[in-house]
Amino acid sequence: EAQVTQNPRYLITVTGKKLTVTCSQNMNHEYMSWYRQDPGLGLRQIYYSMNVEVTDKGDVPEGYKVSRKEKRNFPLILESPSPNQTSLYFCASSPSLNTEAFFGQGTRLTVV
Amino acid sequence: AQTVTQSQPEMSVQEAETVTLSCTYDTSESDYYLFWYKQPPSRQMILVIRQEAYKQQNATENRFSVNFQKAAKSFSLKISDSQLGDAAMYFCAYIRYNFNKFYFGSGTKLNVKP
Repeated sequence: EAQVTQNPRYLITVTGKKLTVTCSQNMNHEYMSWYRQDPGLGLRQIYYSMNVEVTDKGDVPEGYKVSRKEKRNFPLILESPSPNQTSLYFCASSPSLNTEAFFGQGTRLTVV
Repeated sequence: AQTVTQSQPEMSVQEAETVTLSCTYDTSESDYYLFWYKQPPSRQMILVIRQEAYKQQNATENRFSVNFQKAAKSFSLKISDSQLGDAAMYFCAYIRYNFNKFYFGSGTKLNVKP
């Protein structure tokens, strides 16, 4: 089944403890992105990648890192999480430009 | 900068009735794409419908249709014969031509009453 898989789906962590949210797609898509969803703000792009080893900042990149060492994987790294990073996170992939994005199931992150 | 505005935080519709969700956007571009995504309680983002700005004809997908007014920068979603399964958060989204960045509205929560 074609899909974008994120793990974990739920995560509670403490301030300052490094964490990684994994994202993998099995559709051979070129483009991958991370978004965060907050009430009243919709989804905002954190980082995106156009291909292996090519990444760039979105609208809200502060406090996040990403890497794209393989086409299928695009992990989101929080080196020192803070409570304002408590949010719902989505990974998405697209086969090309000008097409819809396919989303993972979301990761609910709580930083205490 | 591109912005997408959904002015209705929450709406309700009776089962089998028709409802229209509003979306406006701001852009100086002439080529772009617009989408409606549905987010049920499961949190999964599901594509409902897509519209290319260069197409004058409004997109339709079964019970879902859009009213795309390019000059007014308006992109509303009409749901006909509403069903209980239509209850969800709906997001309007914009992408500029040849860019991979989606801009989302703040969402409209749709309640469907039996």
